[in-house]
Amino acid sequence: AQSVTQPDIHITVSEGASLELRCNYSYGATPYLFWYVQSPGQGLQLLLKYFSGDTLVQGIKGFEAEFKRSQSSFNLRKPSVHWSDAAEYFCAVGAGTGFQKLVFGTGTRLLVSP
Amino acid sequence: DAGVTQSPTHLIKTRGQQVTLRCSPKSGHDTVSWYQQALGQGPQFIFQYYEEEERQRGNFPDRFSGHQFPNYSSELNVNALLLGDSALYLCASSSTRKEYGYTFGSGTRLTVV
Repeated sequence: AQSVTQPDIHITVSEGASLELRCNYSYGATPYLFWYVQSPGQGLQLLLKYFSGDTLVQGIKGFEAEFKRSQSSFNLRKPSVHWSDAAEYFCAVGAGTGFQKLVFGTGTRLLVSP
Repeated sequence: DAGVTQSPTHLIKTRGQQVTLRCSPKSGHDTVSWYQQALGQGPQFIFQYYEEEERQRGNFPDRFSGHQFPNYSSELNVNALLLGDSALYLCASSSTRKEYGYTFGSGTRLTVV
């Protein structure tokens, strides 16, 4: 069965510092991978997605992620964090062709310190 | 262009009661999926509706049921509410013409007391 692991429950980063959020997935075929962000009380906003091709994917708000098949990872990065980036981040894998269920990790809460 | 609209925003129900949550998909979308997000957890897939039929279902009991209307809007019904049903319920719409092109609503926060 498909699964996603986000090993860090909370991460605190100083404003202006770089960020990396980890994501490992388990999926038998070529995965469709996503990163979503959720602000308190809000729905999910898509940051970026990987379907195929270039393994370094650019997203919105200055985020990028790199797909590494050998490590089953899809880590999210940002070179300089802003206070407004504080939120919950979810990694997800698309499960199954022809039917598009998303399987989410448990999320990483990002705190940004001044 | 409106995105996905969910109503109500918040809801408080008593154990054993029944609840109906509503979702209007983004314009141009024909598929609606429902997810349950318990506190501190990632969203869990409940089911997906397309052409007014349930296309696939996650690991949820029959107390959870749904419906899709001809205008593509959808309802999620939960019967015999349990305390454990307290969660944020997210609706996501998509188009069969665009793979994995989900748009999520802001959700309905259900509290069961």
